[in-house]
Amino acid sequence: SYEMTQPLSVSVALGQTARITCGGNNIGSKNVHWYQQKPGQAPVLVIYRNSNRPSGIPERFSGSSSGNTATLSISRAQAGDEADYYCQVWDSSTVFGGGTKLTVL
Amino acid sequence: EVQLLESGGNLVQPGGSLRLSCAASGFTFSIYGMSWVRQAPGKGLEWVSSISGGGVSTYYADSVKGRFTISRDNSKSTLYLQMNSLRAEDTAVFYCAKYSTESTSHYFDSWGQGTLVTVSS
Repeated sequence: SYEMTQPLSVSVALGQTARITCGGNNIGSKNVHWYQQKPGQAPVLVIYRNSNRPSGIPERFSGSSSGNTATLSISRAQAGDEADYYCQVWDSSTVFGGGTKLTVL
Repeated sequence: EVQLLESGGNLVQPGGSLRLSCAASGFTFSIYGMSWVRQAPGKGLEWVSSISGGGVSTYYADSVKGRFTISRDNSKSTLYLQMNSLRAEDTAVFYCAKYSTESTSHYFDSWGQGTLVTVSS
């Protein structure tokens, strides 16, 4: 089954750009989606099909994917962006990455 | 506004059974794929099972295949998950999630708030 690797944690200084990676074999050929989950809450879609933002998601959130790595970028990071972030693809079934905890310093 | 309301979570003994329900509203339920996703305490998201909009196609994670059954009643806009032979490792918050299309090969654009299943003696 397809596997994706995310760093357990990423830290970013307030106002700087955070980059969260999702590694997988030839992931650039797949549609990658990203979810944000804050403590005690359900996940929320923040990027779909690699680089598209749902309505209501700030332009600070962006995504890209190429080769074996997909990346979620959060510019001008805010304290409210602290959360767990999960990548997801479909490869014969729905697959999630292990999740990355984002800390804003 | 899309709403997904899960129910049925409870404390159950190992080997027991439980049926989860997800009542949907705010969209045409029958034309969207649906799924159950779980999250064990302190762990990440794990896809459990999916069903196409018409209910014809169903899919299961290897960890639950043969024990769990997903179904839907489009006349009631309700998704179900019948869970049998429950194990301690099934302890998790179970989320109901809506796919963006009729099929189950896309992304989730809406999630419920989850229902807690605890398997313990």
